[in-house]
Amino acid sequence: DAGVTQSPTHLIKTRGQQVTLRCSPKSGHDTVSWYQQALGQGPQFIFQYYEEEERQRGNFPDRFSGHQFPNYSSELNVNALLLGDSALYLCASSPGRGITDTQYFGPGTRLTVL
Amino acid sequence: GDSVTQMEGPVTLSEEAFLTINCTYTATGYPSLFWYVQYPGEGLQLLLKATKADDKGSNKGFEATYRKETTSFHLEKGSVQVSDSAVYFCALNPKSTGNQFYFGTGTSLTVIP
Repeated sequence: DAGVTQSPTHLIKTRGQQVTLRCSPKSGHDTVSWYQQALGQGPQFIFQYYEEEERQRGNFPDRFSGHQFPNYSSELNVNALLLGDSALYLCASSPGRGITDTQYFGPGTRLTVL
Repeated sequence: GDSVTQMEGPVTLSEEAFLTINCTYTATGYPSLFWYVQYPGEGLQLLLKATKADDKGSNKGFEATYRKETTSFHLEKGSVQVSDSAVYFCALNPKSTGNQFYFGTGTSLTVIP
C-alpha cells in the first residue's frame, strides 16, 4: 500500500512564475491538506480539501490555490512566485472525511525560487 | 490563538543519555497533541499522540503525557540511540476549528556514539 506521494521532488523557479505541485493521498483517504515548511521552521497550514472543495484555509494569500480531483488527488498552485515562497511543501492525507486526528505526510516537494 | 512552543535546539546527546524536549501549548477547548519526527530529506512521521488530558502517548521508547494543568506535552526517552537523530516537532489539533494542525518550530537532536 503506497503512502502519500508527491511530485515533483524538487523544483526551481524564478520570481513571478507560477508552479503546480501534486499529491496523491494514501489509499482510502479522502481529505488532503497542504503545508508550507520554511527552512528551520515548523509546517504552516495552507488549506485543506475535501469533496473537491476547499474546506479550511490558513493565513496564506490568494496566490496560493488548490484543487482536488474525484480520485482525491490534489494540486497546489502558487502564482506570482516570491523569493519567500522557497520552502518544502508537504501534503498530508486523512481518512474519514478528515475529522479524525490521523494525518499521513508525504515526503514533500522542495521549491526554490530564484 | 492556538499555538505550540517547543524547546530551542539543537540538542546533542551521547548514546544512552536521557532525552527531554519541552513543549507547551495554547489552545481553547480540548486539543489533541502530537509529536512528529522528521529524518533528513523525508516528510513527517507521527511518533505519538494523546487526545485528552492525562493520556500518555508512547512509541519506540518515546513517551509524552498530556498535562492540561501545565498545558504541556514534553517528549522523553530514557536511552537515546544514534538512530534517533532527527528533528522533532510538537503539534496540536485544536479540533474546534476543523482539522488544522499547528506545529512548533522543531528541535534538532543529534546523538553521538
